Amino acid sequence: AQSVAQPEDQVNVAEGNPLTVKCTYSVSGNPYLFWYVQYPNRGLQFLLKYITGDNLVKGSYGFEAEFNKSQTSFHLKKPSALVSDSALYFCAVVDTDKLIFGTGTRLQVFP
Amino acid sequence: ETGVTQTPRHLVMGMTNKKSLKCEQHLGHNAMYWYKQSAKKPLELMFVYSLEERVENNSVPSRFSPECPNSSHLFLHLHTLQPEDSALYLCASSQDYRQANQPQHFGDGTRLSIL
Repeated sequence: AQSVAQPEDQVNVAEGNPLTVKCTYSVSGNPYLFWYVQYPNRGLQFLLKYITGDNLVKGSYGFEAEFNKSQTSFHLKKPSALVSDSALYFCAVVDTDKLIFGTGTRLQVFP
Repeated sequence: ETGVTQTPRHLVMGMTNKKSLKCEQHLGHNAMYWYKQSAKKPLELMFVYSLEERVENNSVPSRFSPECPNSSHLFLHLHTLQPEDSALYLCASSQDYRQANQPQHFGDGTRLSIL
């Protein structure tokens, strides 16, 4: 079965610094990978996806993610963090017709 | 995002009550989903509907009963729930559940507390 792992429960970063939220995957074949963000008291919002093609995927709010097949990773990145980026971030992989989510990483950006 | 609307936003109920969660999507999608979100756990897919037909039922206890009267509306009927059922229940929709490369759109959830 396909799966994703988010090794960090929480990531802390100062405003203006670059941020990385890690995700590794375990799949057979070519993966479909997604990042979603959940702000407090809200549902999940789609950020970006990797299906095929360019390994660097650009998404909403200035986020991007790099697909690395050799390391089976799909880390989420942003060059300069904002306090408003503080939220819960989920990595997900498609398994047949279903999305399999990671446990989430809480990003805290300090002023 | 207002494409998927869930009501109520908060619900407190006793274990013997009967209540229903409602979801409505305004995106013209064909697939709708119920997820359970508990703290420190991955989202759990509960049910999937495609054009009002249930296509997925992930071993969910019978105290949860879904209903999809049309492709825009989805309900989750609750009866005789347990304290461990307290969680955030999220509804989502997508264009076609077989098109896995398309993102799902989520509502803001119903926070359910079982007394």
